[in-house]
Amino acid sequence: KQEVTQIPAALSVPEGENLVLNCSFTDSAIYNLQWFRQDPGKGLTSLLLIQSSQREQTSGRLNASLDKSSGRSTLYIAASQPGDSATYLCAVIKTSGSRLTFGEGTQLTVNP
Amino acid sequence: KAGVTQTPRYLIKTRGQQVTLSCSPISGHRSVSWYQQTPGQGLQFLFEYFSETQRNKGNFPGRFSGRQFSNSRSEMNVSTLELGDSALYLCASSLTRTSETQYFGPGTRLLVL
Repeated sequence: KQEVTQIPAALSVPEGENLVLNCSFTDSAIYNLQWFRQDPGKGLTSLLLIQSSQREQTSGRLNASLDKSSGRSTLYIAASQPGDSATYLCAVIKTSGSRLTFGEGTQLTVNP
Repeated sequence: KAGVTQTPRYLIKTRGQQVTLSCSPISGHRSVSWYQQTPGQGLQFLFEYFSETQRNKGNFPGRFSGRQFSNSRSEMNVSTLELGDSALYLCASSLTRTSETQYFGPGTRLLVL
C-alpha cells in the first residue's frame, strides 16, 4: 500500500527566505507526482505535476524535483512571501487513473 | 475557462439523513474524482468516474455512492449520515484518465449534527 509522508508538518520562516518542503513515498512505481497548495477552508490549487520520467519541473519561484529510486520529492520555494502561507500537499498516482494518494501536508507560515 | 464548481458550498444535516453533492468539471474534462478531507484522516479517495462509469473506488462503506452524467457532471450521495461524515468533500477533474493534472473544486463543507 502506497504511503506518502511530508516533513516537516509545519514550518515558519521570515519573508525572503528560500525553503524546501519534503515528500517521500514508499512505492517507487508511481505514474506521476503532483504538488498542491491549500488555503484554509478552500480547495486545492495545483502547483506542479512531475511525470515519472521527469526529474524536475519549474514554475516561477517554485521548483519541484523527483527521485523515484529513493522515493522522494522536494518542493523548493525561492524568496518566500507572506502570500505563500498555506498548506502544501504532495500526492502520487501509482498507475494510469485518477486515484491520488496524499501526504498529510506541510503548513507553511511566512512572516512579514 | 471556468474551473471546477461544486454545489452546495455548505451543508448542515442531522444523523440518519441523506445528502447529495454536485460537481461540474472543467469543460471538456471527462474524468471526475471525489475525495473526503478530515483533520484526522487527511485526504482520502472516494471514487473516480470516467465516461459515466465508476472506474475506481476507495475504501468507504456502501453508504457512499456516486454517478456521472453524459455531460461529465457528477454527483455523490451519502445515505444514513453519521457524525463522522462531517468533512470537506472535494471534487477533481482531469481531461482523461492518463497522467494529467487534476484540478480541484472549492469543496462542499458538510456538517452532520
